[in-house]
Amino acid sequence: NAGVTQTPKFRVLKTGQSMTLLCAQDMNHEYMYWYRQDPGMGLRLIHYSVGEGTTAKGEVPDGYNVSRLKKQNFLLGLESAAPSQTSVYFCASVRGWGGTYEQYFGPGTRLTVT
Amino acid sequence: GENVEQHPSTLSVQEGDSAVIKCTYSDSASNYFPWYKQELGKRPQLIIDIRSNVGEKKDQRIAVTLNKTAKHFSLHITETQPEDSAVYFCAASSGTGRRALTFGSGTRLQVQP
Repeated sequence: NAGVTQTPKFRVLKTGQSMTLLCAQDMNHEYMYWYRQDPGMGLRLIHYSVGEGTTAKGEVPDGYNVSRLKKQNFLLGLESAAPSQTSVYFCASVRGWGGTYEQYFGPGTRLTVT
Repeated sequence: GENVEQHPSTLSVQEGDSAVIKCTYSDSASNYFPWYKQELGKRPQLIIDIRSNVGEKKDQRIAVTLNKTAKHFSLHITETQPEDSAVYFCAASSGTGRRALTFGSGTRLQVQP
């Protein structure tokens, strides 16, 4: 099992450009999340999904959109990147059944917006 | 929503000493409290977690205690080693609904050889 993977690992964007970050998990997990981590801070929730075809806003959703067309994939989109979106983005998944709560994190995507 | 506060922000100890990191949470519905270790440039790594129906949990040199009444939980690392140096994050989750984590701001632990 690859666990949770993220594509790309690094990216540099100019202000106003768009991009999509891909998160994939092969553990058949129901729940998936996108977090961002700014320097010296903990992770903050951007958007999440409790199942295929569902998405919902987290604490810092502005400027981002998400989609979960397939259970194993969770996409994070930036329509018009801003320097304030420079951050490390982590995807995570949770099994969602059996009373388990542990989140499995991907390796992260380091995004710089100039 | 949930708010998690973590102290101290930095902690320096001598090798072999103990280290304690404390967190408080605001949402009484939270019932899952994990601790993560994060090394530079890496993903958060779960080191121990506790559910609200348990007051204490131990795994070798690491232990976590939970006081639901006071809404605080703590990480205890004994016999610290240089490889324990990292940033540690506490987090809280309601365990139902979205099951998302709310993180503390982190503690940078430095273990001096």
